[in-house]
Amino acid sequence: EDKVVQSPLSLVVHEGDTVTLNCSYEVTNFRSLLWYKQEKKAPTFLFMLTSSGIEKKSGRLSSILDKKELFSILNITATQTGDSAVYLCAVETGNQFYFGTGTSLTVIP
Amino acid sequence: SAVISQKPSRDICQRGTSLTIQCQVDSQVTMMFWYRQQPGQSLTLIATANQGSEATYESGFVIDKFPISRPNLTFSTLTVSNMSPEDSSIYLCSVEEGSEYYGYTFGSGTRLTVV
Repeated sequence: EDKVVQSPLSLVVHEGDTVTLNCSYEVTNFRSLLWYKQEKKAPTFLFMLTSSGIEKKSGRLSSILDKKELFSILNITATQTGDSAVYLCAVETGNQFYFGTGTSLTVIP
Repeated sequence: SAVISQKPSRDICQRGTSLTIQCQVDSQVTMMFWYRQQPGQSLTLIATANQGSEATYESGFVIDKFPISRPNLTFSTLTVSNMSPEDSSIYLCSVEEGSEYYGYTFGSGTRLTVV
């Protein structure tokens, strides 16, 4: 059964901390892995990863994919209260998306 | 990236009635997707809508309950029919960007409460 598992389910940190969010997957016909930040209703796209070992970076956020071990990590450095959100991981196989249940991150001032 | 206008943003409906959700995209896209997210659960794909063909429904979702229209490359509707409280959820549409760097764009969602 295809699945995507995210950990931890929730995380509370203080401003300035660095966090690492995990996403592991078991799917057939892998195409890409996507990270989203979800605040309120609509998830916002962060990264799309298709190749192993190539880090994608955007400001304080970065992500990397390991297609051999079937996982990805999302790093956030120097966290800010605005980083508080649910971070969703999704894996695309053809036309199907499999989503994890998300990691709820709370950044305390 | 594409901009999606999804309406309504929220609604409270009586059980047994139907609600049609609209998604308008500011550019032509081949594939549009409809999702549901129930409280505490991940996004679930309902169906894929291609212009000019019948929508493809995922396991557990049927056309009679969730009819979809896709009259052109910039617009789609999802109807939630004969609603029950179990249909209370957030419904999202999304489009495939077709770009290496953008992936998919989601609409802002429709929060539906059935009473």
